[in-house]
Order: sequence, then structure tokens, then C-alpha cells
Amino acid sequence: DVKVTQSSRYLVKRTGEKVFLECVQDMDHENMFWYRQDPGLGLRLIYFSYDVKMKEKGDIPEGYSVSREKKERFSLILESASTNQTSMYLCASSVGTDTQYFGPGTRLTVL
Amino acid sequence: RKEVEQDPGPFNVPEGATVAFNCTYSNSASQSFFWYRQDCRKEPKLLMSVYSSGNEDGRFTAQLNRASQYISLLIRDSKLSDSATYLCVVLGDSNYQLIWGAGTKLIIKP
Repeated sequence: DVKVTQSSRYLVKRTGEKVFLECVQDMDHENMFWYRQDPGLGLRLIYFSYDVKMKEKGDIPEGYSVSREKKERFSLILESASTNQTSMYLCASSVGTDTQYFGPGTRLTVL
Repeated sequence: RKEVEQDPGPFNVPEGATVAFNCTYSNSASQSFFWYRQDCRKEPKLLMSVYSSGNEDGRFTAQLNRASQYISLLIRDSKLSDSATYLCVVLGDSNYQLIWGAGTKLIIKP
């Protein structure tokens, strides 16, 4: 069965903290994605990766960075968290343009 | 104009009724289209891909109208378990990047 896991379901951080969100998939997928989802805006792509050590900016990369050292793991880093980064963060993986499989999401609150 | 637009709803529909949503997209060169379903506080999951000829999966029918740049989702004999948000998704210019609508919320009432 397809599985994408995220390190935390809920996270509360303070402004200025460095935040790490981790995502692991067990399907040997080449592509991995980080989105944020906010009410009324739909999913917005932050970064994606189509191979180990490769990364591409999505629509809203500012304030974020990513790391993909192993095929199964894709990390999202908030270098200095701000209140406008309070959101639901969703990780996904896929093969090519096929179905994207999502993790359960991390609801991040920045105080 | 948003690249993918959907009526946010909510659509309140009695159980057993037929309901349809439309979604419009702005990039006429788009080639792939999808409907995802997202339950409350859950992750999105693929419901169905949308093919040029239209396709059906049980009670669900998806259609594409390239001339008018919209896709539709029809749900027949709606069940309480169909209550969810339905996300319209279009493949963007990049081969990897999907463009997501904000979703249409459907509530099926007994």
C-alpha cells in the first residue's frame, strides 16, 4: 500500500525559529513535492524535486528551502519562521505526471 | 484571473440527488486534468483523471470541454459519504507541476 508519512501532524513554533518538516515515501517515487494549503487559496507549490539532490522552485519558495539527500526523503525548512507561514503543509510524491500521493499534512502554527 | 477556478460552494444536496460542478482553466495548452477529493482534515486523494472523450467511474462522470476550457464532475445518486471538497487540478507548463483549484465543498444531507 502506498505510504507517505510526515514527521508531525501538529507543530507550534515561535517567530524566528528554524523549522524542519520531514516527509518520507516508501514507493520509490522520483518526484516529491511540498505544498501549503490555506482556506480559499487551494494548494500552492513551494518546492519540488524530481531526483535526489535536485530541487526546483514552485510558486511560493520565498522563506523556504528544501533538502533531498535520499530518494525517499524530502525535507522542508523554514529558516526563520514568521506568522504568515502558519498553514497546513502537505507533502506528495509521484511517478512522472501520474497520481500524486499525499501525506497526512502538518498543521504549523507560528506564534 | 486565477489559473484554475472553482465555485467554492458549499453545495447542499439531498441524498440520492445528482450534483454537478464545473471548473474553468486559463491555459489553453493544458493537456492533463484531474479531480481529487479531500475529506475534512485529510489529505487530497485522486478521484479520477479526465480524458478528452469523457470518462465514467461508477456514479462519477468527468468531462472535458476544451473549446470553453472547463471540466466538469457529475455525481449521480449521491451518498452521505460523498460529502467532501472536490479539487480540480490541471497540469501546468512544467511536466511536474499541477495547478490546483481552491475546491468545491459538497455536503450531502440525509
